[in-house]
Amino acid sequence: AQSVTQPDIHITVSEGASLELRCNYSYGATPYLFWYVQSPGQGLQLLLKYFSGDTLVQGIKGFEAEFKRSQSSFNLRKPSVHWSDAAEYFCAVGAGNTDKLIFGTGTRLQVFP
Amino acid sequence: DTGVSQDPRHKITKRGQNVTFRCDPISEHNRLYWYRQTLGQGPEFLTYFQNEAQLEKSRLLSDRFSAERPKGSFSTLEIQRTEQGDSAMYLCASSASPRTPLHFGNGTRLTVT
Repeated sequence: AQSVTQPDIHITVSEGASLELRCNYSYGATPYLFWYVQSPGQGLQLLLKYFSGDTLVQGIKGFEAEFKRSQSSFNLRKPSVHWSDAAEYFCAVGAGNTDKLIFGTGTRLQVFP
Repeated sequence: DTGVSQDPRHKITKRGQNVTFRCDPISEHNRLYWYRQTLGQGPEFLTYFQNEAQLEKSRLLSDRFSAERPKGSFSTLEIQRTEQGDSAMYLCASSASPRTPLHFGNGTRLTVT
């Protein structure tokens, strides 16, 4: 069965520091992968997606992610974090003919000034 | 593109009452999904529609839950005889075609007292 693991429940960084959020997936076929961000009480906003091709994908708000098939990982990165990046981040894998998303449990990012 | 709209934003109900939520997807999107998100967790898939046909239901969707999409446009999710364990954020998402990202609404937060 498909699954997504986000090992870090909570990460705290200082504003201006670099960031990497980890995501590991389990999926039998070629996966298509997503990162979403959620602010408190809000829905999910798409940051970036990987379907095929270049394994380094660029997203909105300066985020990027790298697909590594050998490690079954799709880690999210940002070189310099802004206070407004504080939110919950979810990694997801698209599954089956319905394209439903299987989500990880999320990583809460806290940013200190 | 006005985005996915959900109504109401918040619903407080007493245990045993029935509740109904509405989702209006992006107008040209024929795929519609319902998810449930509890505190500290990622969204969990509930059900999927392609046009008016309900093509997949999760085991999470007990017989107290029913979803419809009568004309292939808006959708409703009804919960009968609500229980405290139903308290959660209910998210709706839509997409236009296979392997395209899901667009999420801001959700309906249900509190069962």
